[in-house]
Amino acid sequence: DVKVTQSSRYLVKRTGEKVFLECVQDMDHENMFWYRQDPGLGLRLIYFSYDVKMKEKGDIPEGYSVSREKKERFSLILESASTNQTSMYLCASSLDNSPLHFGNGTRLTVT
Amino acid sequence: GIQVEQSPPDLILQEGANSTLRCNFSDSVNNLQWFHQNPWGQLINLFYIPSGTKQNGRLSATTVATERYSLLYISSSQTTDSGVYFCAGHVMYSGGGADGLTFGKGTHLIIQP
Repeated sequence: DVKVTQSSRYLVKRTGEKVFLECVQDMDHENMFWYRQDPGLGLRLIYFSYDVKMKEKGDIPEGYSVSREKKERFSLILESASTNQTSMYLCASSLDNSPLHFGNGTRLTVT
Repeated sequence: GIQVEQSPPDLILQEGANSTLRCNFSDSVNNLQWFHQNPWGQLINLFYIPSGTKQNGRLSATTVATERYSLLYISSSQTTDSGVYFCAGHVMYSGGGADGLTFGKGTHLIIQP
């Protein structure tokens, strides 16, 4: 079975802090994704990556950056956390034209 | 971008009932998938179904790509089927599987004992 592991289930940070959300997959997938999920807005794509060191902006990249130094790891970075970034963050991975697999999610609260 | 409409938005059923969830796309899509989000927030991939019909136990799905819709059937519902069901797909012209999927807003299903 595909396993996508997010480093934290719950995270509380202060406004202005730099925040790292880590995601690791164990199935040698080329593609990795970061989504955020908010009530009434559904899942929205922040960034994705189709190869090591490659990254593409999704629908809502503002205020975020990503890093993919190794194939299995995709990190989401909040350079200066703000309260409007309080959300559920979901990492996912896939091969091309194949099912998408999600991690358990990280519920981030910025106070 | 494409619009993904799911219906109904909410559904409450008794245990044992059958249900049909629908997903309409505003444009041709590929890589169409169905997901279930359980009450703890975990998203599970149910079907990868760009076209045709697939079955997995009490669940089955049908995609009619030419008419831009997909259906998810749940038979003999159980309380563990409760949660939110999402469909998602890529726009056909977007060039490859690496683009992020666009998700619908989901159908919130509650199965009562």
